[in-house]
Amino acid sequence: GQQVMQIPQYQHVQEGEDFTTYCNSSTTLSNIQWYKQRPGGHPVFLIQLVKSGEVKKQKRLTFQFGEAKKNSSLHITATQTTDVGTYFCAGLRSNYQLIWGAGTKLIIKP
Amino acid sequence: EADIYQTPRYLVIGTGKKITLECSQTMGHDKMYWYQQDPGMELHLIHYSYGVNSTEKGDLSSESTVSRIRTEHFPLTLESARPSHTSQYLCASSYTGVNSPLHFGNGTRLTVT
Repeated sequence: GQQVMQIPQYQHVQEGEDFTTYCNSSTTLSNIQWYKQRPGGHPVFLIQLVKSGEVKKQKRLTFQFGEAKKNSSLHITATQTTDVGTYFCAGLRSNYQLIWGAGTKLIIKP
Repeated sequence: EADIYQTPRYLVIGTGKKITLECSQTMGHDKMYWYQQDPGMELHLIHYSYGVNSTEKGDLSSESTVSRIRTEHFPLTLESARPSHTSQYLCASSYTGVNSPLHFGNGTRLTVT
């Protein structure tokens, strides 16, 4: 069936380093949404990408949607302690249900 | 941003008990969802609803039921709790449009002893 693979599972970075997480789908997605979940919290919507090749920015966060609408990435420039959490992608299925990636946990090294 | 409310926040209960997790939203959203999530892990869809009197099973719906009698209310019932049900349960809602993001509640952390 349709799946969304998200990698890596964890990424340890020094504060100030960059962070990237990738999502890949076996089939074309209608759109892709990104969520952030702080430790002990609930997922919070960040952004949605709809168009092929779309790029959106939110301050230090850059979101991309692939030309084939099968992959997406989130890049954070110069990470800060407030960025800590798990980042999830969720792709919209052809039957209008969301398929969630497994999440990438951003960990800041002490 | 507490527009979607879940109670209780924490629940510890013995095996075999029947429990109902409550979820209410004040945003007028038609669609509502229940997800199960172990700490820091992926979300598994249990049930969802398109509106009043509509309920659908997700990927992980066994041993639980839901009802949608009112737009704002979407309770989840476990008929007989088991230790394998120990997890966090997240309720979410959204507008009907395909590009509508999900708004999540704070979750119920369930422990079955």
